Amino acid sequence: AQSVAQPEDQVNVAEGNPLTVKCTYSVSGNPYLFWYVQYPNRGLQFLLKYITGDNLVKGSYGFEAEFNKSQTSFHLKKPSALVSDSALYFCAVSDSGGGADGLTFGKGTHLIIQP
Amino acid sequence: DTGVSQNPRHKITKRGQNVTFRCDPISEHNRLYWYRQTLGQGPEFLTYFQNEAQLEKSRLLSDRFSAERPKGSFSTLEIQRTEQGDSAMYLCASSASGGSYGYTFGSGTRLTVV
Repeated sequence: AQSVAQPEDQVNVAEGNPLTVKCTYSVSGNPYLFWYVQYPNRGLQFLLKYITGDNLVKGSYGFEAEFNKSQTSFHLKKPSALVSDSALYFCAVSDSGGGADGLTFGKGTHLIIQP
Repeated sequence: DTGVSQNPRHKITKRGQNVTFRCDPISEHNRLYWYRQTLGQGPEFLTYFQNEAQLEKSRLLSDRFSAERPKGSFSTLEIQRTEQGDSAMYLCASSASGGSYGYTFGSGTRLTVV
């Protein structure tokens, strides 16, 4: 069984400061890891993914994430936060063995960027 | 192709009625997924199709739920005898074969059972 933990329900960051949204995972095989963002009453928008290769993955809107196999983590980061980054962020994992169960999501982290 | 399309966007129904949702995936994607998202939670997997074959069903998918993808293109999700606990956002996603390609989500259908 695969699982994702997002330990923070909410993260508050001042505009212009760096941000980190934490994610840890558990999966039996090699992980495929994803970050999605959700705005109110909308579906999920893809930000970035880690499949293999470099541990630092760059994605949309200036976001990046660092894969750490030993800590089973995939934290989302951005060097300088914008007010428009305020949204609900989901980390997700699938098993590289085929993903027949689809993605397993964390509960989400509300990111609030204060002007 | 403008992405994954879901209809309707919103549905309000009385308890006990049947409802049906439609999902049109990205045309070249052969995998289609249904998820359910309740307030304060991440999306939960319901079921998965590869082409027209339904290959996986979650324990969350009770007998009142049925999904089809008759020609391997669009899919429908039907809920019979709706209950208040069925109120949620129902999300559809599609992907190409292999989990590495990622999933493209639709905007969802918000169901309210009154």
